[in-house]
Amino acid sequence: GAVVSQHPSRVICKSGTSVKIECRSLDFQATTMFWYRQFPKQSLMLMATSNEGSKATYEQGVEKDKFLINHASLTLSTLTVTSAHPEDSSFYICSARDPTSGRGRELFFGEGSRLTVL
Amino acid sequence: GEDVEQSLFLSVREGDSSVINCTYTDSSSTYLYWYKQEPGAGLQLLTYIFSNMDMKQDQRLTVLLNKKDKHLSLRIADTQTGDSAIYFCAAYNFNKFYFGSGTKLNVKP
Repeated sequence: GAVVSQHPSRVICKSGTSVKIECRSLDFQATTMFWYRQFPKQSLMLMATSNEGSKATYEQGVEKDKFLINHASLTLSTLTVTSAHPEDSSFYICSARDPTSGRGRELFFGEGSRLTVL
Repeated sequence: GEDVEQSLFLSVREGDSSVINCTYTDSSSTYLYWYKQEPGAGLQLLTYIFSNMDMKQDQRLTVLLNKKDKHLSLRIADTQTGDSAIYFCAAYNFNKFYFGSGTKLNVKP
């Protein structure tokens, strides 16, 4: 299957600092990427949808000024958690698809990034 | 939007078959998926089925879709301890993927 890579896999930061998480599609062009947050009881919450070259579409209840998403190229999207607080500690997962290809109905996930805010 | 639901836990013995169930609410969902998540990792696509199909088989995995009841199931034959993971059902609808809360499969030796 297609490969999506996330970095870093784990990050610990102090309260009030900002953290950037990268999501890369390694062997295909991801015109659309999704960012999810996974809560302790397993459920995945879609945070936003980003399309290459345009602004991200945020889901209701997600603060766009806190969770900055940039999808500047067909292979890279970044999520920046600004002024992080302990309640932002979570497992963040990105996913990618290329709607223009024959595999456009498949969604490929990164390995996830565990954020811990002290 | 779409509402996807699954039971949270399933426990089986090694060698038995596992059946994980999922229901969804929007009949216009065109594709239904099963993903596997191992501890501390992202989600791995296992298989998916187009909504006009009833069944899809891939080695030990069998997906059954009852479109009328909006019910999807994943059967894992000869379940192994390595199959222990969280399994997510997802529905694709209008350029969005909607996920269930995941079923934690525990395989006892």
